[in-house]
Amino acid sequence: GAVVSQHPSRVICKSGTSVKIECRSLDFQATTMFWYRQFPKQSLMLMATSNEGSKATYEQGVEKDKFLINHASLTLSTLTVTSAHPEDSSFYICSASGPHLSKDIQYFGAGTRLSVL
Amino acid sequence: GDSVTQMEGPVTLSEEAFLTINCTYTATGYPSLFWYVQYPGEGLQLLLKATKADDKGSNKGFEATYRKETTSFHLEKGSVQVSDSAVYFCALRSGAAGNKLTFGGGTRVLVKP
Repeated sequence: GAVVSQHPSRVICKSGTSVKIECRSLDFQATTMFWYRQFPKQSLMLMATSNEGSKATYEQGVEKDKFLINHASLTLSTLTVTSAHPEDSSFYICSASGPHLSKDIQYFGAGTRLSVL
Repeated sequence: GDSVTQMEGPVTLSEEAFLTINCTYTATGYPSLFWYVQYPGEGLQLLLKATKADDKGSNKGFEATYRKETTSFHLEKGSVQVSDSAVYFCALRSGAAGNKLTFGGGTRVLVKP
């Protein structure tokens, strides 16, 4: 149980376009979802935390107008990278937690590799 | 703020060798500590956790003990297999930061037959 699906796994786009990444909890209600960014050979950096039905809380230094997060249902959160540029190329990972699961544990998607040309 | 430091990899071992990955942390209060593993092409999976001092987390032959006096949570396995090849992340969750996880930089482990 507690499976998180992330789609797409890889996306290549042109500079200036927008890209949407989906994160779905397949078998549980995800009241909280997290979005991370991982640079090569570096750790996961938390970008934002989203609670279902509420606006996302962004970490310091993350542009909320650049990285739009929507968590409209208990099973789906989306991250939209608007007007993507080459420096946005990275590995984006989502995770989820829910009220019926241990609050200590997050369940992770497999990640999305974004390449902006 | 909270931080986690773990040894850089890659760590290359032969099968049945002993594995240790060092992890130290800085946090306010009494954090919960975790080890996550990321196999190639997959998402991070919780490997083990410990929620208070002197607790030992264990799973799949891996162990880590919460050492408050040294602020450490080193991961060990007595006899690794090729299937243990993965990236291992140490992480903490402190009450001051809500449910947010703070990760170390990850350690890539490669086990050769």
